[in-house]
Amino acid sequence: AQSVTQPDIHITVSEGASLELRCNYSYGATPYLFWYVQSPGQGLQLLLKYFSGDTLVQGIKGFEAEFKRSQSSFNLRKPSVHWSDAAEYFCAVALSNDYKLSFGAGTTVTVRA
Amino acid sequence: DAGVIQSPRHEVTEMGQEVTLRCKPISGHNSLFWYRQTMMRGLELLIYFNNNVPIDDSGMPEDRFSAKMPNASFSTLKIQPSEPRDSAVYFCASSISGSGLNEQFFGPGTRLTVL
Repeated sequence: AQSVTQPDIHITVSEGASLELRCNYSYGATPYLFWYVQSPGQGLQLLLKYFSGDTLVQGIKGFEAEFKRSQSSFNLRKPSVHWSDAAEYFCAVALSNDYKLSFGAGTTVTVRA
Repeated sequence: DAGVIQSPRHEVTEMGQEVTLRCKPISGHNSLFWYRQTMMRGLELLIYFNNNVPIDDSGMPEDRFSAKMPNASFSTLKIQPSEPRDSAVYFCASSISGSGLNEQFFGPGTRLTVL
């Protein structure tokens, strides 16, 4: 069965420290991969996406993600977090010919001063 | 660009009442999605419209839920009668087309509380 797994429910990180959020997928083919961020009381905003080509993709707000086919992973990283990065982060996948966007359960990031 | 617009932002109602949630997609977008977000089930796709036509409503929980898209700029999600277990945040999203290649743009959501 197709699935998206975000193993970490909650991560706490100090401001200025690095952040890595994990995402694994289980699909028959390489899907399109997305990371969304949801700030409290807001809708989801796309951070970055991977379709093909360079496996390291850059997104907004200083985020990047690396696609690793061998590990079926698409982990999100940021070298130095800011207090404004406190939010919930969702990994999502879609097949090229399919409209359905399947979301992981989300990872809540808390940033401490 | 106004983005996806949803109204109301918050709705509190009593069990048994009818609830109507509204969505205005981004102009020029042909695909519209309604999602429900709960702590227990995360983000679930309820229904997908393409060119105003419902393509997939398999995520609609039961007959109490209905959705319409009378034109390209407006969609409604109706719950009648509402129940406490319907309490959730409901998101509308739109995209240029239904292909997985296209980004879905989300509205701010409607937080529904059914007492």
